[in-house]
Amino acid sequence: GAVVSQHPSRVICKSGTSVKIECRSLDFQATTMFWYRQFPKQSLMLMATSNEGSKATYEQGVEKDKFLINHASLTLSTLTVTSAHPEDSSFYICSARDSDRENTGELFFGEGSRLTVL
Amino acid sequence: QKEVEQNSGPLSVPEGAIASLNCTYSDRGSQSFFWYRQYSGKSPELIMFIYSNGDKEDGRFTAQLNKASQYVSLLIRDSQPSDSATYLCAVNSGSGGSNYKLTFGKGTLLTVNP
Repeated sequence: GAVVSQHPSRVICKSGTSVKIECRSLDFQATTMFWYRQFPKQSLMLMATSNEGSKATYEQGVEKDKFLINHASLTLSTLTVTSAHPEDSSFYICSARDSDRENTGELFFGEGSRLTVL
Repeated sequence: QKEVEQNSGPLSVPEGAIASLNCTYSDRGSQSFFWYRQYSGKSPELIMFIYSNGDKEDGRFTAQLNKASQYVSLLIRDSQPSDSATYLCAVNSGSGGSNYKLTFGKGTLLTVNP
């Protein structure tokens, strides 16, 4: 099956610092990747759609200057949380569509990254 | 605002029973529907997807879709303690192709008691 690897799985940082999270599709190419955020006991909320070679599309209410997304290749997307604050503490999950199987509509999820901002 | 609603639970069933999970969605144009299972602290994993009205069976799991009623459900037969998790209903409300957007419900916490 398609595997999406996300790194780091856990990160603790000080308020005001920036954190980068990587999402890689290991055995397939992904022209589109998605970044979700999940607060405790809440559902996954889509933050942005990351398109290879072009700018990400952000959902309403998500600050594009705070959550920087780069999708420079067909297998890698990165999310950088800039000037992190405690309210940014959350579970960040990336997902990807297999470019060769986009008609299935299936998303493959990474393992998630738990960010704690002190 | 396209919404996906699930019975919030928690749902508790004894081992061996049938667990029934329900989901409704607001966007009548939705094309595909997914059920994910999420264990605490982990990312979601796909259980089933369904596109057409009716039932789709895979092992102990059966997904049911009724587009007229904008309703999708998941039945788990012979429930096992290892099925205890949060079940997320997800709906693709995009119009197709590159316009793809998966909207998740808040999830239903299922507990299967030994």
